[in-house]
Amino acid sequence: AQSVTQLDSQVPVFEEAPVELRCNYSSSVSVYLFWYVQYPNQGLQLLLKYLSGSTLVESINGFEAEFNKSQTSFHLRKPSVHISDTAEYFCAVSRKETSGSRLTFGEGTQLTVNP
Amino acid sequence: GAVVSQHPSWVICKSGTSVKIECRSLDFQATTMFWYRQFPKQSLMLMATSNEGSKATYEQGVEKDKFLINHASLTLSTLTVTSAHPEDSSFYICSAKGQFEAFFGQGTRLTVV
Repeated sequence: AQSVTQLDSQVPVFEEAPVELRCNYSSSVSVYLFWYVQYPNQGLQLLLKYLSGSTLVESINGFEAEFNKSQTSFHLRKPSVHISDTAEYFCAVSRKETSGSRLTFGEGTQLTVNP
Repeated sequence: GAVVSQHPSWVICKSGTSVKIECRSLDFQATTMFWYRQFPKQSLMLMATSNEGSKATYEQGVEKDKFLINHASLTLSTLTVTSAHPEDSSFYICSAKGQFEAFFGQGTRLTVV
């Protein structure tokens, strides 16, 4: 079985400050890793994913995440946040052998960007 | 990326009535879809896995007779909440299986009064 732990339930930051949202996972099999973002009363949007290859993955809106196998982590970072980044962020994993299949989610991190 | 459309985005119904939520994959065929429930300030809880042309697989603790799932075509899965009660009020989200990741619908806010 897999499990995902998001270490911070809430992260308040000021606009233009850097931010890191932490995610650790546990799995006995190889997994794919994802970050999803959820705005109020909306579904989830894929922010970025790690499938294989380079351990650093980037999104089009400035977020990046680094897969660290030894620490079983997939932390999400952004060097300078905007008000519009305020949302709930979910880290998730799925088993490689059943790719595209059921996801195991963390509890979520509410990122609040203040002016 | 692939687009999944969920309808309605919100619905209010009376206790004892049934409500149907639709989940459509607009630009790809989804042999497998998932239905989640999300309580306020919480993560997503997988309710069931819906496979086209076969019976859904429900997670432990989810009443299959209350939450009816039908996946009759490669682009449509429906969730029917039967005999709804106020405790069924929640945010329901569907997703469709992609090659590596899942694609999510916009969610449906169900309020039972």
